Amino acid sequence: DTEVTQTPKHLVMGMTNKKSLKCEQHMGHRAMYWYKQKAKKPPELMFVYSYEKLSINESVPSRFSPECPNSSLLNLHLHALQPEDSALYLCASSQESTLSGNTIYFGEGSWLTVV
Amino acid sequence: GNSVTQMEGPVTLSEEAFLTINCTYTATGYPSLFWYVQYPGEGLQLLLKATKADDKGSNKGFEATYRKETTSFHLEKGSVQVSDSAVYFCALSDRGGNNRLAFGKGNQVVVIP
Repeated sequence: DTEVTQTPKHLVMGMTNKKSLKCEQHMGHRAMYWYKQKAKKPPELMFVYSYEKLSINESVPSRFSPECPNSSLLNLHLHALQPEDSALYLCASSQESTLSGNTIYFGEGSWLTVV
Repeated sequence: GNSVTQMEGPVTLSEEAFLTINCTYTATGYPSLFWYVQYPGEGLQLLLKATKADDKGSNKGFEATYRKETTSFHLEKGSVQVSDSAVYFCALSDRGGNNRLAFGKGNQVVVIP
């Protein structure tokens, strides 16, 4: 069962709000990812966690704050976002982040609208 | 660096037609290659993959063969259905650290009844 579940599916937030996106996988994967996808574009990598430690931050603004409470969970905390941050946020996981050939499995995504 | 190139523009075709989406790549070493599909309003689903030269990935009637000599991984399906309408992304994962995926720009496929 290759399943990554994300909540909420849709989120509308104001620019002064604080909200969180949540992601869960039960495949025993040790690498988890956040991607951002704008309309008609490929996903862009934001963060990578490997064995619950942040291993990559692709120069993402600090208004996005990732958290990995345990090996199955990944959160993305949102604060003081801008309208241009509206996008589909995809969580993904893979067995380990440093092995070649690992398949990255994506969730259904959280559609974020900042108003 | 690694990169993936997909043919420009959307692809519109009739039901039961033959589909080809071209994908070429640039990478050092021996990357793994993937096709992901994104149906309207959904996340990305892995469609198929190949991890070494001459491997053929297949799923749901789609096929792609890892061609090292032409650095290509073209996606094909012999007879498309309306339900195949989606965006298709070619991607590669190199053998360096962090399992980064390099994506192509994606191709919108529209199948008309």
